Parts: sequence; structure tokens; C-alpha cells
Amino acid sequence: DAGVTQSPTHLIKTRGQHVTLRCSPISGHKSVSWYQQVLGQGPQFIFQYYEKEERGRGNFPDRFSARQFPNYSSELNVNALLLGDSALYLCASSFRGRAEVKNIQYFGAGTRLSVL
Amino acid sequence: QQQVKQSPQSLIVQKGGISIINCAYENTAFDYFPWYQQFPGKGPALLIAIRPDVSEKKEGRFTISFNKSAKQFSLHIMDSQPGDSATYFCAASNNNQGGKLIFGQGTELSVKP
Repeated sequence: DAGVTQSPTHLIKTRGQHVTLRCSPISGHKSVSWYQQVLGQGPQFIFQYYEKEERGRGNFPDRFSARQFPNYSSELNVNALLLGDSALYLCASSFRGRAEVKNIQYFGAGTRLSVL
Repeated sequence: QQQVKQSPQSLIVQKGGISIINCAYENTAFDYFPWYQQFPGKGPALLIAIRPDVSEKKEGRFTISFNKSAKQFSLHIMDSQPGDSATYFCAASNNNQGGKLIFGQGTELSVKP
């Protein structure tokens, strides 16, 4: 079975541009979460979607938005890019929309975004 | 209250030694505590996880020790191997907040042969 897949792998943008990152969860998983990982730090929660509804939002500006499609894949959109948005963006999927011992969250390899 | 504090920032251990990484939390509503391992260029991968009603959980060479009263938990890696060299993250979550994980700052472990 394929794991969580994210595209693109790497992306270079300039300040003020817009970016769309994509995530395909593990087959059968209905929950997708997005995290931002700045170099040298732990991942920070951005959004969680479960059954196509937003179930959680982290402390990020409105420039960040996301959605989940009927096939449970997801997109993360970032508008008006800033230099500080440069980071590894991780997607995690799980069967249920809960963090618990019996509901493992599996992470993709991430999209490395560089904003110049 | 949402923070998880992790130490040390980096750790060097000889092959065969014990690696110990510590985490502390403030929010007593947290009810799920996983540890993740991340290699360069890869996403974090779950190593082991524990609930607060258990004081210790062991899976192979990896053990979580949990102290509810002190609001601390730690990862012990027994018989550390060079292949264990990676960055380790502790995390915590409150089930009422869905799948949101609060991560520590990470520990870069280097196991010397």
C-alpha cells in the first residue's frame, strides 16, 4: 500500500506569490492534517480535516487555507507568500479524526517550500 | 499551556549505550503522548505512543516512561545503534481537539560506532 504522498517535493516561489500543496492520504484514511516544520524545530499544526470538514485550525494567518476533496485528498493554499513561510510542509493522514493510540497518524515526506 | 518542552536539543551516545530524551507538558487535558522519529528528507514516523493511565510502555528497544504527577515523559532507547541516529520528537494531544499534535522542539541523536 502506498503511504501518504505529497506533491510537489520541492517548490521555489517569490514573495507575494501564491502556492498550492497537495496531499493524498493512505487508502481508507478519512482524516488529513497539515503541519509546518521550520528548519530545526518541531512541526506546527496548521489544519485538520475529517470527512471533508475542517475540524481544527492552528495559529496561522488567514493567508493559509485548505480543503479536503470527496476522495479525501487535500490541498493547502498559501497566499501572499512571505520569506517566513519557507519551511517543510507536512501532511499526515489517519483513519479517524482523533489522536489516540489506536489511530496512528502517518506523515508524508513533505513539500519543501522556499520563498525568495 | 499548549507547549511541550523537550530536552536535550542534541545528544551523542556510544553504540550500545542508552539514549534518554525528556519532555514536559503543562496542559493536564493531554491524553495521548506519541514519540516520532525523523530522518533527513523524510517525514516523522511514529515510534511508540502512550496514554496517561499507563506509567510505562515498551516496544523492542524503545521504552516510554510516563510520570503523570510531574507532567513529564521520556523516551529510552536501549542498546543504541548508529541506525538510530535521527531527530526525535515528543508530542501530545487532547482527544477533544481531534488529531492536533503539539510537538516538542526535537532532539538530534547521534550514535557513534
